[in-house]
Amino acid sequence: DVKVTQSSRYLVKRTGEKVFLECVQDMDHENMFWYRQDPGLGLRLIYFSYDVKMKEKGDIPEGYSVSREKKERFSLILESASTNQTSMYLCASSLNTEAFFGQGTRLTVV
Amino acid sequence: GDSVTQMEGPVTLSEEAFLTINCTYTATGYPSLFWYVQYPGEGLQLLLKATKADDKGSNKGFEATYRKETTSFHLEKGSVQVSDSAVYFCALSDHSSYKLIFGSGTRLLVRP
Repeated sequence: DVKVTQSSRYLVKRTGEKVFLECVQDMDHENMFWYRQDPGLGLRLIYFSYDVKMKEKGDIPEGYSVSREKKERFSLILESASTNQTSMYLCASSLNTEAFFGQGTRLTVV
Repeated sequence: GDSVTQMEGPVTLSEEAFLTINCTYTATGYPSLFWYVQYPGEGLQLLLKATKADDKGSNKGFEATYRKETTSFHLEKGSVQVSDSAVYFCALSDHSSYKLIFGSGTRLLVRP
C-alpha cells in the first residue's frame, strides 16, 4: 500500500520558535508537496520539490522554507513561527499526476 | 495562472438523493482533473480522475466527465449515503510541472 507519513498529527508551538514538519513517502516518488489547509480557502501550495535538493515556491512560501536531502523525505520549516501559521499542513507525493496525501499535521502557534 | 472554482457548501442532502457538485477550471494547457475526498480527521484521498477530454472518471458510485468545451468536471452520484459525508475537492494538475491546484472544497452532509 502507498504510504505518506507525517511525523506528528498535532503540534503546539510558541511564537518565534523554529518548527520542523517532517514527511516521508515509501513509493520512490519524484515529486513532493507541502500544502496548508484553512477553512474557506481550500488547499494552498507552499512549496514543492521535483527531485532531491530541488525545490520550487508555491503560492504562499513566505515564512516557510523546505529541505529535501533524500528522495523519500521532504521537510517543511517555519523559521520563526507566528500565530497566523496556525493551520492544518498536508504533505503529498506523486510520480506523475496522481498525488497521495499524508494524514496532516494540525499546528497551533500560541 | 491555472485555477479551479467549485461550488460553495455546505451541501445538505437526504440519504438516496442525487448529488451534483460543480467544478470549473482555467488552464493554459490540457490538465488532468481530479476529485479528492477528505473524511473527518483524515488526509485527502483520490476519489477519481480523468486525464483527457471526454474521459469519465468513476469510483464508489461517483462519476465526473472531463468537458473541455465547458471547462468543467462536475461530480455526480445517483444515490448518496450517510457515509459519503465529507469534504470534496476538485483539482487539476499541470502536465509540465505536476503541481496540483485545488478548489476551495465543498462540504457534503448527508442526513439519514
